[in-house]
Amino acid sequence: AQSVAQPEDQVNVAEGNPLTVKCTYSVSGNPYLFWYVQYPNRGLQFLLKYITGDNLVKGSYGFEAEFNKSQTSFHLKKPSALVSDSALYFCAVRPGDSSYKLIFGSGTRLLVRP
Amino acid sequence: ETGVTQSPTHLIKTRGQQVTLRCSSQSGHNTVSWYQQALGQGPQFIFQYYREEENGRGNFPPRFSGLQFPNYSSELNVNALELDDSALYLCASSPSGTSGRRETQYFGPGTRLLVL
Repeated sequence: AQSVAQPEDQVNVAEGNPLTVKCTYSVSGNPYLFWYVQYPNRGLQFLLKYITGDNLVKGSYGFEAEFNKSQTSFHLKKPSALVSDSALYFCAVRPGDSSYKLIFGSGTRLLVRP
Repeated sequence: ETGVTQSPTHLIKTRGQQVTLRCSSQSGHNTVSWYQQALGQGPQFIFQYYREEENGRGNFPPRFSGLQFPNYSSELNVNALELDDSALYLCASSPSGTSGRRETQYFGPGTRLLVL
């Protein structure tokens, strides 16, 4: 079965420290990978995506993600966390054999303490 | 903020009733996808519409149906509501359909449905 795993329900980090939110996937074909962020009572906001090319992808608000094909991972990173980064983060994958749907992970809550 | 809008923002229905949720896609986008996000979970794909035709469907029963209009706006209809249908329903638009694997889906704010 095709799936996305976000192994951590919550990640806690101090403001100014680097953060990592983990994502691994299991899909057929060459996947396209996405990260979205959700603030309370809001929809999903696009952060970045990996389609092809450089394994390190840069996105909005200083976030970046590294695609690792051998480990089937797409971890989200930021060198210096802000309190305002506190939100719910979702990893999503579009399988290689699909032109339409996104498969989402269960989400990771990021809490950045001052 | 994306240009995707959804209405209503909140809705309360009783079991067995029918509901219609609406979505207006971002300008220039001809593809609309619908997702269900239950509390504490990630969004689950319901279906996608491209040029007024259903372009793909997730694992949802036929009582979940949809429409897309010539202006690319869309409706999600759910018949015979069940308690488990309580969720946040998200609409997402993107620029193209069958050739659009690379395209990003941009989400609206969602409609929160409570079924009592």
